[in-house]
Amino acid sequence: DAGVTQSPTHLIKTRGQQVTLRCSPKSGHDTVSWYQQALGQGPQFIFQYYEEEERQRGNFPDRFSGHQFPNYSSELNVNALLLGDSALYLCASSHMAERAYGYTFGSGTRLTVV
Amino acid sequence: AQKVTQAQTEISVVEKEDVTLDCVYETRDTTYYLFWYKQPPSGELVFLIRRNSFDEQNEISGRYSWNFQKSTSSFNFTITASQVVDSAVYFCALSEAGFQKLVFGTGTRLLVSP
Repeated sequence: DAGVTQSPTHLIKTRGQQVTLRCSPKSGHDTVSWYQQALGQGPQFIFQYYEEEERQRGNFPDRFSGHQFPNYSSELNVNALLLGDSALYLCASSHMAERAYGYTFGSGTRLTVV
Repeated sequence: AQKVTQAQTEISVVEKEDVTLDCVYETRDTTYYLFWYKQPPSGELVFLIRRNSFDEQNEISGRYSWNFQKSTSSFNFTITASQVVDSAVYFCALSEAGFQKLVFGTGTRLLVSP
């Protein structure tokens, strides 16, 4: 049973560029959340998608946007990259009716902005 | 506002020692969930345990045990007879009613040496 799959695993971008990260949730899960984890910090909630809509958003600027597809997979887009956007981006999936039982996380995409 | 504090930044122990990781949380909700996750060097967050605010019963799972005390807003995690494979960063997290997002602490890095 495949868990949460994220791609790519690593990438390097230049300031001002745009980036798209991808996430495939665990089989049977319908909800996808994105987190940003800066070095030495705990993950910070970016937003959550369910039924192809953004359901909740953390304290992140509009440069961060997302999308969920009918197959429940999701994309995270970041525009006008800043050096401070360098971090590990984690995707977590759950089933909306069972999310109290925890979230399954992927291994993340490590983004470096130079 | 929700907040999770993990005051211990890094703990070093020798194999077979017992170690306790501290977690203190803040929330105004009466219904909430607490989690512990393990993050090995691969980056993936591995779910360890979930506890709801109405269940203060301590739990033991093999070498792991958890002590939930609402009176002190603490949810501490003890590893008995630590092993080198326990080396990782451990995160405590809080989710309020609705389970829309997880609020993480800053993590405790555990180093277990042979």
